Amino acid sequence: GAGVSQSPSNKVTEKGKDVELRCDPISGHTALYWYRQSLGQGLEFLIYFQGNSAPDKSGLPSDRFSAERTGGSVSTLTIQRTQQEDSAVYLCASRIGVGNIQYFGAGTRLSVL
Amino acid sequence: GIQVEQSPPDLILQEGANSTLRCNFSDSVNNLQWFHQNPWGQLINLFYIPSGTKQNGRLSATTVATERYSLLYISSSQTTDSGVYFCAVDGSSNTGKLIFGQGTTLQVKP
Repeated sequence: GAGVSQSPSNKVTEKGKDVELRCDPISGHTALYWYRQSLGQGLEFLIYFQGNSAPDKSGLPSDRFSAERTGGSVSTLTIQRTQQEDSAVYLCASRIGVGNIQYFGAGTRLSVL
Repeated sequence: GIQVEQSPPDLILQEGANSTLRCNFSDSVNNLQWFHQNPWGQLINLFYIPSGTKQNGRLSATTVATERYSLLYISSSQTTDSGVYFCAVDGSSNTGKLIFGQGTTLQVKP
């Protein structure tokens, strides 16, 4: 597609359930990023994939959060045993390489009841 | 880690007015991007500007890397300029892990 695509756009779940959020980056972009935007914390980095290298997970807030990127393209962010504080907008971005612009998707708004 | 501070936090303008938004950062950076977050939450790229000056229509930006700040100028503001403006930087590791400021919320009144 022309831009970064994320699905679903909205997700409502119950506390304790697992959720999966999907990101389809711009074709040919080797780097993929996940960020979270919440009222209290602003925009914060979560995890970064570059090519076939091991991901940089330094921003993940707990071990309930994980992500994978299959075939160097689509990425899935998984949150296990969701908590109310996980409610936020999860944003995905990609870029073609070092020193280039990051392009953001429209985000997934997650609400944990 | 790098700290990014934006000012002012809130700004109200009358349509047609000009404004300057500021972004200060605490250490050397490789990349700096300005974004506009529209009312639907989409982050729109405005400028990729680690140094120098760029212009795009009514918007322009200047980054003075040696003094660790960037400015975003909006001229002849329109109601569609309303939203939150974010500055984000990538530190010297050049991994692309963006560190965001807290944003400037702009409201342009007709």
